[in-house]
Amino acid sequence: GESVGLHLPTLSVQEGDNSIINCAYSNSASDYFIWYKQESGKGPQFIIDIRSNMDKRQGQRVTVLLNKTVKHLSLQIAATQPGDSAVYFCAYGGSGGYNKLIFGAGTRLAVHP
Amino acid sequence: DTGVSQDPRHKITKRGQNVTFRCDPISEHNRLYWYRQTLGQGPEFLTYFQNEAQLEKSRLLSDRFSAERPKGSFSTLEIQRTEQGDSAMYLCASSLLQETTEAFFGQGTRLTVV
Repeated sequence: GESVGLHLPTLSVQEGDNSIINCAYSNSASDYFIWYKQESGKGPQFIIDIRSNMDKRQGQRVTVLLNKTVKHLSLQIAATQPGDSAVYFCAYGGSGGYNKLIFGAGTRLAVHP
Repeated sequence: DTGVSQDPRHKITKRGQNVTFRCDPISEHNRLYWYRQTLGQGPEFLTYFQNEAQLEKSRLLSDRFSAERPKGSFSTLEIQRTEQGDSAMYLCASSLLQETTEAFFGQGTRLTVV
């Protein structure tokens, strides 16, 4: 079935370094990809999204890259801070954007001082 | 607080009991979604509403699960005859009508069935 998966379950980085979290997806028909951050005990928090007609989008300290050829999505976090420690999920919108989001299993980002 | 609100935050129930969770979306949001999240996994879509209409419910896990949004505002998710496998975080999200606007999640209801 459709799935969104992540390459690395845990990523440890030093404070100030850049972080890259990767994601592979299987459904090439999706038009909309999203990254969420989830801290312990909280619901997922939207970080950034990208449409399939783009290959890069930048936000504040974050960049999302989309490679449709190999069905790969990545989230880059610049100058990682302790507050970035969380689980990160990639997801894609099912038929029609945000309806029926399909999530991957998540990558835990641990930022060390 | 103008975010998505869920109640209760935690629920412990005995197997076989019925439970009901409530979600209050962001006030101007037409769409409301329910997800389930088990430990170490990403959220799993269950159902969604557009105003009071339930447009997708095929992903509800069994006929023990039902959801309502009677007035197009708050929603409830009920689980009847709970089983230990129902233990999970139940998340609600809401969004505007446009399909490409972001969905905002609540903090979830943690259900433990003992």
